[in-house]
Amino acid sequence: KQEVTQIPAALSVPEGENLVLNCSFTDSAIYNLQWFRQDPGKGLTSLLLIQSSQREQTSGRLNASLDKSSGRSTLYIAASQPGDSATYLCAVRNDYKLSFGAGTTVTVRA
Amino acid sequence: SQTIHQWPATLVQPVGSPLSLECTVEGTSNPNLYWYRQAAGRGLQLLFYSVGIGQISSEVPQNLSASRPQDRQFILSSKKLLLSDSGFYLCAWSVRGATEAFFGQGTRLTVV
Repeated sequence: KQEVTQIPAALSVPEGENLVLNCSFTDSAIYNLQWFRQDPGKGLTSLLLIQSSQREQTSGRLNASLDKSSGRSTLYIAASQPGDSATYLCAVRNDYKLSFGAGTTVTVRA
Repeated sequence: SQTIHQWPATLVQPVGSPLSLECTVEGTSNPNLYWYRQAAGRGLQLLFYSVGIGQISSEVPQNLSASRPQDRQFILSSKKLLLSDSGFYLCAWSVRGATEAFFGQGTRLTVV
């Protein structure tokens, strides 16, 4: 059974600081890994998708890396802004199923 | 473009009452469809998934059931709600294969 862990559970940083969010998974036979953002009481917004054959993916200030063999992914958010405050979820796909971590709740202080 | 609709956004139901949550997807065909539940402060738990009309797989035993009467419609149901059914329910879809998953805005269910 795939187990996904996200560390830290919560993070508070001043505006402008770079954010580093970690995700680890136990079964490396994944199809892809996806990072999501969730605002309070809302659904999930897809941020980045990394296929199993890729090492990283970038979108604007966001960069996600994937080391499939070691079962790790890292999401970097450069020059954080108060609008980045949210919960970030990592999910890995094995066949049909997406397995989620519990998320990292980020607070960016103005 | 593809969109996913989920309703209602919030629901308060008494214990023992029935439940029906609906999810529809537009702009795609033959999607994989999913129901997830998110309990307070916890990760998302996969409840059901479907790869086609009438094809439902359950991930965990529970008081809920799912149906897919049409290609782009996925329904989550219960005959009698329990207090433990309270949570945030999310519908999702993806194209078959190693592709991106997209989520609806969720339904906050409170069983009282």
